[in-house]
Amino acid sequence: RKEVEQDPGPFNVPEGATVAFNCTYSNSASQSFFWYRQDCRKEPKLLMSVYSSGNEDGRFTAQLNRASQYISLLIRDSKLSDSATYLCVVNKRGDSWGKLQFGAGTQVVVTP
Amino acid sequence: GAVVSQHPSRVICKSGTSVKIECRSLDFQATTMFWYRQFPKQSLMLMATSNEGSKATYEQGVEKDKFLINHASLTLSTLTVTSAHPEDSSFYICSASVRSSTDTQYFGPGTRLTVL
Repeated sequence: RKEVEQDPGPFNVPEGATVAFNCTYSNSASQSFFWYRQDCRKEPKLLMSVYSSGNEDGRFTAQLNRASQYISLLIRDSKLSDSATYLCVVNKRGDSWGKLQFGAGTQVVVTP
Repeated sequence: GAVVSQHPSRVICKSGTSVKIECRSLDFQATTMFWYRQFPKQSLMLMATSNEGSKATYEQGVEKDKFLINHASLTLSTLTVTSAHPEDSSFYICSASVRSSTDTQYFGPGTRLTVL
């Protein structure tokens, strides 16, 4: 079983709509959680960290459910520029500092 | 945000040659740098972790003699793919971070390696 699993998608979303997707992680010792965005053939860019209480950054809302071991990302009022692959990333407690586990990504395609 | 550069951005080489990729943190001193590899439609896979002035720590299954890592300063780490073969063709990405209360990593733009 993969450490971090994501629905690969694609999620086809009309412009202006809301899209949400989850990511599950297998290790209950996971400590830090992030969502990164990766555009085609580019490097990942940090979108937001995910905090236990949930957090929001503009149109993006991230939630963490430790009991069920998943994190979620919700994008409101989707823009064409939101089209990308969203990577779920976790760090395990006890692992060497900074060691991150990446999911394979969820592709989002926002259509006009 | 912090800026990390990589050079070259793209390289095509013949099988058997060695390729060196540089990763630089431009506006901060990186305590730790990480090297990842990403095959098409797959997740980033950590290859090794390098701390300035010490030997790199390689992940299981990554040959340290084939992927040589040098982290000579707080702003520069290099990855050398020795005797490259077609199966080494991939997208190599470095990241850099400053050891702090957060573990944010800043990624370089990546190097696309094609071995013929």
